[in-house]
Amino acid sequence: GEDVEQSLFLSVREGDSSVINCTYTDSSSTYLYWYKQEPGAGLQLLTYIFSNMDMKQDQRLTVLLNKKDKHLSLRIADTQTGDSAIYFCAESIGNTDKLIFGTGTRLQVFP
Amino acid sequence: GAGVSQSPRYKVTKRGQDVALRCDPISGHVSLYWYRQALGQGPEFLTYFNYEAQQDKSGLPNDRFSAERPEGSISTLTIQRTEQRDSAMYRCASSFFRGDEQYFGPGTRLTVT
Repeated sequence: GEDVEQSLFLSVREGDSSVINCTYTDSSSTYLYWYKQEPGAGLQLLTYIFSNMDMKQDQRLTVLLNKKDKHLSLRIADTQTGDSAIYFCAESIGNTDKLIFGTGTRLQVFP
Repeated sequence: GAGVSQSPRYKVTKRGQDVALRCDPISGHVSLYWYRQALGQGPEFLTYFNYEAQQDKSGLPNDRFSAERPEGSISTLTIQRTEQRDSAMYRCASSFFRGDEQYFGPGTRLTVT
């Protein structure tokens, strides 16, 4: 079946790195995504990785994909208070590329 | 338009009433998706359109839920005889084509009393 799991909370100090982890079950996923949701706002696409890649870097964001273990992570370097939000990982599946989302990880950044 | 828009942003309705939620995708986007997000959860897929054709409705919970996109642009999600368990944030997303990045609208918060 389709299932995406994330830890619920992460708390980090400003300036440290944050690592948010995700596991998924569908090995046929073509793309894996990270979305950010701030309070009262919509879902913002942060970054994505194609399933045949194992790493992608985009400024402060680094995505690592371990396809064998079906494990995805998002590393945020130099975490800022503005990074406080809920982060969702999602996999695209099927011939419609519908997204299956995790439950979200709430990142709290303290000074 | 500049982004995906949805209306209304908030809807409060009494149990048993019908509601219609509207999604206006990014201009030129072929694919349109509807998702539902309960409090504290991630979005859950409801249905997908390619142009005006509804190609996947496997996520619609029951036959009270329906969606259309008659001209391949604006889409309407209709819930008939609403129940309290239908209360959630309903999100629409569009992409240029299937497999491209999905851009989400702000959502419609539905509350059924």
